[in-house]
Amino acid sequence: DAGVTQSPTHLIKTRGQQVTLRCSPKSGHDTVSWYQQALGQGPQFIFQYYEEEERQRGNFPDRFSGHQFPNYSSELNVNALLLGDSALYLCASSLGGQGDTQYFGPGTRLTVL
Amino acid sequence: AQSVTQLDSQVPVFEEAPVELRCNYSSSVSVYLFWYVQYPNQGLQLLLKYLSGSTLVKGINGFEAEFNKSQTSFHLRKPSVHISDTAEYFCAVSDPLIQGAQKLVFGQGTRLTINP
Repeated sequence: DAGVTQSPTHLIKTRGQQVTLRCSPKSGHDTVSWYQQALGQGPQFIFQYYEEEERQRGNFPDRFSGHQFPNYSSELNVNALLLGDSALYLCASSLGGQGDTQYFGPGTRLTVL
Repeated sequence: AQSVTQLDSQVPVFEEAPVELRCNYSSSVSVYLFWYVQYPNQGLQLLLKYLSGSTLVKGINGFEAEFNKSQTSFHLRKPSVHISDTAEYFCAVSDPLIQGAQKLVFGQGTRLTINP
């Protein structure tokens, strides 16, 4: 079992650009959540996808959008990048039931210059 | 809104000594509680979780935590630490009243450093 995988591992962009991050969930998992972890901080919830629809959303602007595909993989898109978007972006997958463990990927480190 | 406070940003401990990492949450209703560990340049790994039942929860790598509803705390303990326990530890809470997989609300993290 490959676990949760994310690509790319690192990314450098400039202000105003757009970025797409990708996540493949653990085998058998149907729910994907995205978190942003700024340096020295705990992860913050961005949104969650289940059955190809956004089920929950945190306090992030509309510049942050996502998608889930029929194979349960997911993308996170960020438009009009700001310096403050520099962070580690973590994807977590789970079975979607209450209290089910969320398994995290290694993350994508995004640097905005 | 739920929030989590990890009372210590850094905890230095000597190898084979006991350690306690403190976590308090703010919620007047039932909660699910989690402890995750993050090793350098890696994602988060679940150590243990409390959903219901016994207030003493045992996890991986010899860690355990105790849920205290009256003090709204969920402190993590290990009786004897090893160099390999050096990592960042995060306490998290979620709302069991939300259907399906709940979003996790994390604390700021505690950096545990084990000295030989």
